[in-house]
Amino acid sequence: SYELTQPSSVSVSPGQTARITCSGDVVAKRYTQWFQQKPGQAPVLVIYKDSERPSGIPERFSGSSSGTTVTLTISGAQVEDEADYYCYSAALNNVLFGGGTKLTVL
Amino acid sequence: EVKLVESGGGLVQPGRSLRLSCTGSGFIFGDYAIYWVRQAPGKGLEWVGFIRSQAYGGTTEYAASVKGNFSISRNDSKRIAYLQMNSLKTEDTAVYFCTRGGGDYGDGDFWGQGTLVTVSP
Repeated sequence: SYELTQPSSVSVSPGQTARITCSGDVVAKRYTQWFQQKPGQAPVLVIYKDSERPSGIPERFSGSSSGTTVTLTISGAQVEDEADYYCYSAALNNVLFGGGTKLTVL
Repeated sequence: EVKLVESGGGLVQPGRSLRLSCTGSGFIFGDYAIYWVRQAPGKGLEWVGFIRSQAYGGTTEYAASVKGNFSISRNDSKRIAYLQMNSLKTEDTAVYFCTRGGGDYGDGDFWGQGTLVTVSP
């Protein structure tokens, strides 16, 4: 299916590991990006090409891929990581965003 | 410092047109694809369309929801990309972001702060 499916919400306590999944046939064929968006702000790239971390992004953010599912992992989540997270993938002439996952850290 | 700045948003009546601009600085604007992404109030991110760099033909692609009504163009000498929105509908109300694609980190490494478009009678 040409869509990306994310859980609507994930909740963890500070210091715990948060895992956010993104599923779809396209992720098995194309790289996936992950974006963090806090209220009233523009999205920020936190993972690119499935598992790479841009400079300036904390090491607690990591990504992995297996089959038709990619996973964003935040190891030792902090209160400041509370945000919406979106996966993204692009084929030749089309672009997809997942529906977004609200991460609550409290 | 890489910067993208959107402008041109505002209140517009249904059926009217509006043109948004995305101005880049701090990088070679012409080397990158420019994407437009929108976010309706309280909703998720939605891809609108993108324009490739001239190296890849400067061609455009659009989401099905806007195809035929929206168009994207670019003027690399002015470092600006445009989103022309025609026949606007109330459901086009959103914050419109521009971002770039094709860099070392792939798509979406830098984003503008967005410009709000409100379509209302």
